[in-house]
Amino acid sequence: SQTIHQWPATLVQPVGSPLSLECTVEGTSNPNLYWYRQAAGRGLQLLFYSVGIGQISSEVPQNLSASRPQDRQFILSSKKLLLSDSGFYLCAWKGTGGEQYFGPGTRLTVT
Amino acid sequence: GEDVEQSLFLSVREGDSSVINCTYTDSSSTYLYWYKQEPGAGLQLLTYIFSNMDMKQDQRLTVLLNKKDKHLSLRIADTQTGDSAIYFCAESSYSGYSTLTFGKGTMLLVSP
Repeated sequence: SQTIHQWPATLVQPVGSPLSLECTVEGTSNPNLYWYRQAAGRGLQLLFYSVGIGQISSEVPQNLSASRPQDRQFILSSKKLLLSDSGFYLCAWKGTGGEQYFGPGTRLTVT
Repeated sequence: GEDVEQSLFLSVREGDSSVINCTYTDSSSTYLYWYKQEPGAGLQLLTYIFSNMDMKQDQRLTVLLNKKDKHLSLRIADTQTGDSAIYFCAESSYSGYSTLTFGKGTMLLVSP
């Protein structure tokens, strides 16, 4: 069966520091992968989307970037964090019916 | 663009039925989904319905789809305190690639 992992689970970083969040999927090959951010206001914002290695689509221009160095690995990065980057970051992969399956999330607090 | 609307809050008593409503705008949606999010956790896929169906039942969950009015509902029978969570409605969008458009979520509070 498929599983999706995210780490770290929680992170507290100062403004201006770099960021690297990792997502890996097991039990499936060449999945479509997604990064979302969920702010305190509850809604989900799609940040990046990837259909394969090295292929990244950015939904919202901002202080973040994404990379997909391996088939089942998706990384979210920033060179310099802003206070507004705080939130709950969720990774997801797409199933055969268009549904998406989410990881446990990373809670990022920028201080 | 696509939009999904949900009421923000619902409060019920344990043992009652809960009905969470959702409206969407994209008439080309193929699938519609319901997700559950407990505090501090990711989203859990509860159920989904294909757009050519009117109803889908899965144990305590019943999904009703009115495609003409673009209205989707999730009914939870015999609601339990463990059902307290945020419930998200989502629709599929195929604008060149597959994405989901989510509502802002309905917080369900079940009191004993």
